[in-house]
Amino acid sequence: GQQLNQSPQSMFIQEGEDVSMNCTSSSIFNTWLWYKQDPGEGPVLLIALYKAGELTSNGRLTAQFGITRKDSFLNISASIPSDVGIYFCAASNAGGTSYGKLTFGQGTILTVHP
Amino acid sequence: ETGVTQSPTHLIKTRGQQVTLRCSSQSGHNTVSWYQQALGQGPQFIFQYYREEENGRGNFPPRFSGLQFPNYSSELNVNALELDDSALYLCASSLVANQNEQYFGPGTRLTVT
Repeated sequence: GQQLNQSPQSMFIQEGEDVSMNCTSSSIFNTWLWYKQDPGEGPVLLIALYKAGELTSNGRLTAQFGITRKDSFLNISASIPSDVGIYFCAASNAGGTSYGKLTFGQGTILTVHP
Repeated sequence: ETGVTQSPTHLIKTRGQQVTLRCSSQSGHNTVSWYQQALGQGPQFIFQYYREEENGRGNFPPRFSGLQFPNYSSELNVNALELDDSALYLCASSLVANQNEQYFGPGTRLTVT
């Protein structure tokens, strides 16, 4: 079935550093999304991307929808302690007669040292 | 605006039993999706409901079933529980016009012993 390969699996960084993580697939998707999940909570939507090549920002977060429609990356600038959590990429081909099934990556565990 | 809520928060069941999990969608959202998240993994799509009917299903057996009610709330039922069903069950709601942007509830942690 469809799978998303997310890397790195985990990151240990100092407060103030920039972070980059990415997600690749062997299949084409028409939407890419990035979520953050804190312990004991559900994933929270950070950014949604709808067009190949699109670059979208949300505060210190920037994400891009790859031109081949098979990948996406997420950058976090000037990390702070509250950025700690698990970041998931997700992708979908919902639209028209196709229902909204999200396929998720395995997650990137981010630890920020003060 | 009310977010997605789920109940119960935690649940412990014995193998072979049946369980019902509940979800109230975000206000204004008419589509509900259910996901299973095993420890250390990303969520896996179970199924989606729209207009009280199943609108798509992932790779889960028929003992996983659901309902959606006229107020868009939803239930996930699992029969004949197995040990591998232990997981966090997440409900997500969205607008049918934009099924990609799904907003998740806090989840129900199910433990099967």
